[in-house]
Amino acid sequence: SQTIHQWPATLVQPVGSPLSLECTVEGTSNPNLYWYRQAAGRGLQLLFYSVGIGQISSEVPQNLSASRPQDRQFILSSKKLLLSDSGFYLCAWREGNTEAFFGQGTRLTVV
Amino acid sequence: ELKVEQNPLFLSMQEGKNYTIYCNYSTTSDRLYWYRQDPGKSLESLFVLLSNGAVKQEGRLMASLDTKARLSTLHITAAVHDLSATYFCAVEWTPLVFGKGTRLSVIA
Repeated sequence: SQTIHQWPATLVQPVGSPLSLECTVEGTSNPNLYWYRQAAGRGLQLLFYSVGIGQISSEVPQNLSASRPQDRQFILSSKKLLLSDSGFYLCAWREGNTEAFFGQGTRLTVV
Repeated sequence: ELKVEQNPLFLSMQEGKNYTIYCNYSTTSDRLYWYRQDPGKSLESLFVLLSNGAVKQEGRLMASLDTKARLSTLHITAAVHDLSATYFCAVEWTPLVFGKGTRLSVIA
């Protein structure tokens, strides 16, 4: 069966520090992968999605970037975090036009 | 651009009462998904609606899809406290487009 792993679960980082969040999926091939951010008490904001290795679509211009170095690995990065980057980051995967399955999320606090 | 609107965004309801959450979307799509999110947790898939007229039920929740009206509903029957959560609809598009969520609070 398919599983999705996302880590770390929580992270506290100072302003200006770099960020790397990782997401991996098991049990499927060539999934569509997504990064969402959720501010406290708010809805989901799609940040990036990828339909294949090296293919990244950005939905919101900001100081974040994403990469997909392997078929089932999706990485969210920043060179310098801002206070406004705080939030709950969720990775998700889909196979074609099926429901999306979400990782457990990373709660990022930038201080 | 596909827009998805959920209403209400906040809902406080008494235990035992019935209520409906609405999900409207702006462009033709024949698939819709409902998710539940507990506070501080990730999203959990509730229902997958794959065609016009689809109806799915799980316990006290029932979801339906009317693709012609571009409307899905999530009906809550005889609410209980355990149903307190945020509910999201998501419309099939590339990528999926989520509504803003309905925060449901069931009170005694």
